[in-house]
Amino acid sequence: DQQVKQNSPSLSVQEGRISILNCDYTNSMFDYFLWYKKYPAEGPTFLISISSIKDKNEDGRFTVFLNKSAKHLSLHIVPSQPGDSAVYFCAASEDGNKLVFGAGTILRVKS
Amino acid sequence: EADIYQTPRYLVIGTGKKITLECSQTMGHDKMYWYQQDPGMELHLIHYSYGVNSTEKGDLSSESTVSRIRTEHFPLTLESARPSHTSQYLCASSEWGRNYGYTFGSGTRLTVV
Repeated sequence: DQQVKQNSPSLSVQEGRISILNCDYTNSMFDYFLWYKKYPAEGPTFLISISSIKDKNEDGRFTVFLNKSAKHLSLHIVPSQPGDSAVYFCAASEDGNKLVFGAGTILRVKS
Repeated sequence: EADIYQTPRYLVIGTGKKITLECSQTMGHDKMYWYQQDPGMELHLIHYSYGVNSTEKGDLSSESTVSRIRTEHFPLTLESARPSHTSQYLCASSEWGRNYGYTFGSGTRLTVV
């Protein structure tokens, strides 16, 4: 039973344009959400997070939006850069417990 | 610099061998985790620990075992490796508190032939 779903296995975007990565979850008890970025042969690195009491969090080129009623969150990258090409994982936790991860979305930013 | 280290990075080993994947962190984190990931799939939690002498099985059943004798060290052992164990193994640690993410190691890519 997948509690965190990233339905797009891959996304290709032109450099300078916006990248939008989506994530859906089924557990309404999740109260903290994170995005991780992973390069080949490396471990995931933390990118940005959002608490369920917020609907938006911004950090430079990265913004995460949370829609609790739809159980949906998205990561926006503006402007996209070739160095952003990586696998992006959405993760969620309930009450500070173990993180549950999605399957990831491969982002390719073309120059 | 505080970090989390995994060795080896890559391991190719024959069926039936015993292997130990090492994971150490210098951040003093009490919480440590092992995840298993196959290409294009979710990271699946196989073991976790909330402190010394505390270990629990994760959501994905695994034939591996772990130990936590020291805060900084969380090794994973496979007594008899099989081809089905071929995967990437990721170790992570975190602080106590609701809103702390994980710091991951670089992973061990295990291939059992």
